[in-house]
Amino acid sequence: NAGVTQTPKFQVLKTGQSMTLQCAQDMNHEYMSWYRQDPGMGLRLIHYSVGAGITDQGEVPNGYNVSRSTTEDFPLRLLSAAPSQTSVYFCASSYRTPGLAGGSSYNEQFFGPGTRLTVL
Amino acid sequence: GENVEQHPSTLSVQEGDSAVIKCTYSDSASNYFPWYKQELGKRPQLIIDIRSNVGEKKDQRIAVTLNKTAKHFSLHITETQPEDSAVYFCAASIAGSARQLTFGSGTQLTVLP
Repeated sequence: NAGVTQTPKFQVLKTGQSMTLQCAQDMNHEYMSWYRQDPGMGLRLIHYSVGAGITDQGEVPNGYNVSRSTTEDFPLRLLSAAPSQTSVYFCASSYRTPGLAGGSSYNEQFFGPGTRLTVL
Repeated sequence: GENVEQHPSTLSVQEGDSAVIKCTYSDSASNYFPWYKQELGKRPQLIIDIRSNVGEKKDQRIAVTLNKTAKHFSLHITETQPEDSAVYFCAASIAGSARQLTFGSGTQLTVLP
């Protein structure tokens, strides 16, 4: 298994340009998410998905769109890049197990290798 | 929503000494507390996790303790080695929430030879 893969590894954009960061996993995980990592701020959740066709916003969703047409793929789209979006982006996936009282329990998140994005 | 605070932001120890990193969380509904290690230029990787039905978990030189009443949990690394040098992140997950993990801001651990 390749695990979680991301492309590209590095990208430089000009302000106002758009692009898509690709993420794929081959572990049949239901849950996928996108984080951005900035110095001194840890990992902040951008968007997440609990299955194909279902997405929701995280902590910092503005300026980003996602879709989940298949279990395997979860692309992140930057609509109009801004210098504030300069960051390292990580995609992650996780599997779900039945929790107590009919709920769900999510488990270890497996991270991709990251994409380093610079917006000039 | 959940808020996770992590201290210290940097920590230097001599090789062979112990290192302790502490985190507090705000939402009493959180029930899953993982710790991730991130080496320079690499992806975060899970090193240990604990659920709210236990107070302590150990894996070789690494241990995590959880105090639900005080809403804090800690990572303990004993007999530190240079390869333990990395950034460590704690996280908390709210029970039954699909929103998953809220991360702390990270601790840069440096093990001095």
